[in-house]
Amino acid sequence: GAGVSQSPSNKVTEKGKDVELRCDPISGHTALYWYRQSLGQGLEFLIYFQGNSAPDKSGLPSDRFSAERTGGSVSTLTIQRTQQEDSAVYLCASSLVTVLRGYTFGSGTRLTVV
Amino acid sequence: AQSVTQPDIHITVSEGASLELRCNYSYGATPYLFWYVQSPGQGLQLLLKYFSGDTLVQGIKGFEAEFKRSQSSFNLRKPSVHWSDAAEYFCAVLQGGSEKLVFGKGTKLTVNP
Repeated sequence: GAGVSQSPSNKVTEKGKDVELRCDPISGHTALYWYRQSLGQGLEFLIYFQGNSAPDKSGLPSDRFSAERTGGSVSTLTIQRTQQEDSAVYLCASSLVTVLRGYTFGSGTRLTVV
Repeated sequence: AQSVTQPDIHITVSEGASLELRCNYSYGATPYLFWYVQSPGQGLQLLLKYFSGDTLVQGIKGFEAEFKRSQSSFNLRKPSVHWSDAAEYFCAVLQGGSEKLVFGKGTKLTVNP
């Protein structure tokens, strides 16, 4: 597609439920990144996928967070047993091979845990 | 570890005035530096980036930034601000040996008519 597409744009969930956030990167972009943007914490790196290589998961805050990327394209970020502190905007970005060419960000998913 | 400081949380300028947003980084080697802009409800858009060479970098929308190694700074400037420039601006540095960007906390820009 023309840009990075994220869905849903907004998600309200009850504490303890699982949620799935979807990211559809720009066609042909081999690198995909997830960031979290929350008040007081700014933008935090979560996970990075590059082609068929093992992902860099070093930014995932706990084992309740996981992500996969199927077929080198669409990615899903899953948060299990959501907590109120998970409330944030989750941003996905993709780039052509490397971040040195600059990311293209999606508009994000605003997650609210009540 | 690399870090980025944006000292100004919120800046207000009048339309047509000049703008400078400050960014200081902490990194031992030559940094890869970025400025992004985020309009309300939108993702981040890349304004410009610096890797090496000329320390004055031109970006989109009339923005420029100057890399000053001696001051560990990468300040963003615009000679004349437009109302459409109202947004939040983020400075970022690439963490060495990785694909991770480390972002500052952002500066929110308000433009008065």
